[in-house]
Amino acid sequence: DSGVTQTPKHLITATGQRVTLRCSPRSGDLSVYWYQQSLDQGLQFLIQYYNGEERAKGNILERFSAQQFPDLHSELNLSSLELGDSALYFCASSVEASGVADTQYFGPGTRLTVL
Amino acid sequence: DQQVKQNSPSLSVQEGRISILNCDYTNSMFDYFLWYKKYPAEGPTFLISISSIKDKNEDGRFTVFLNKSAKHLSLHIVPSQPGDSAVYFCASSVPGGTSYGKLTFGQGTILTVHP
Repeated sequence: DSGVTQTPKHLITATGQRVTLRCSPRSGDLSVYWYQQSLDQGLQFLIQYYNGEERAKGNILERFSAQQFPDLHSELNLSSLELGDSALYFCASSVEASGVADTQYFGPGTRLTVL
Repeated sequence: DQQVKQNSPSLSVQEGRISILNCDYTNSMFDYFLWYKKYPAEGPTFLISISSIKDKNEDGRFTVFLNKSAKHLSLHIVPSQPGDSAVYFCASSVPGGTSYGKLTFGQGTILTVHP
C-alpha cells in the first residue's frame, strides 16, 4: 500500500458526459501528479500540483482540468468525454523538497470506460 | 518522440537466475531515474532509483546501473522469484524548470519468472 488513495476504482459513463476523479496523497506529501495510461500510449504525464498551485503541465487536453485543495487532495475533471478517453488514470504524490528530485508514489488508479 | 525506451517488450527467466531489464534514454537533461513494477489493475510500485551522480545503486535483490555516456540504465534482479513476474517500467525526470517532477516512462517490459 503506497498510501495514495484514489476514488472511484471504476467509472463507466457515456460520451459527452463529465466525471471527476479524486486523489488523496500520502500524509506529508505536497505534490500531486496525474498520469493517464491507455493501451497504446503507456503512462503519460498530465499535470502536477504543488501545495495548491499548478507546477507542471504535460499533454493534458483542454477538456481536462485539475485542482488541488487546501487539504492537499486533488481532483481531475474530465468533460465532453470521448471514447478515446477510456484509460487508467493514476495519481501519484511526492514530498518534493525544493531542488531535490524525489520519488513519486502511485495510487491504485481509476479505470474509466466511456461507452 | 519517445525519450525513454525499453526495447524488450518481454523477458522470460528461470527462478533463481538473474533478470536484466534494460532502458535507453535520449534526453541528456534527465538526472534522476527510477524503476517501477506494476501488476495488472494496480498502480506502479516504486522499486529503486538512481541519481545521475552515481553509476550504481543496490537494494536487496535489486541493483540499478547507470551508464550516462551510453544513456543506458539497467535493472538487475538476483535471484529472480516467481513473485517478480510483472511489468517493469523505467522512468526519468529532469531537474527544475516547468518540467520539474514530470516523469517520462518507457513502454514497459513484461517479466515472467518460471518456477
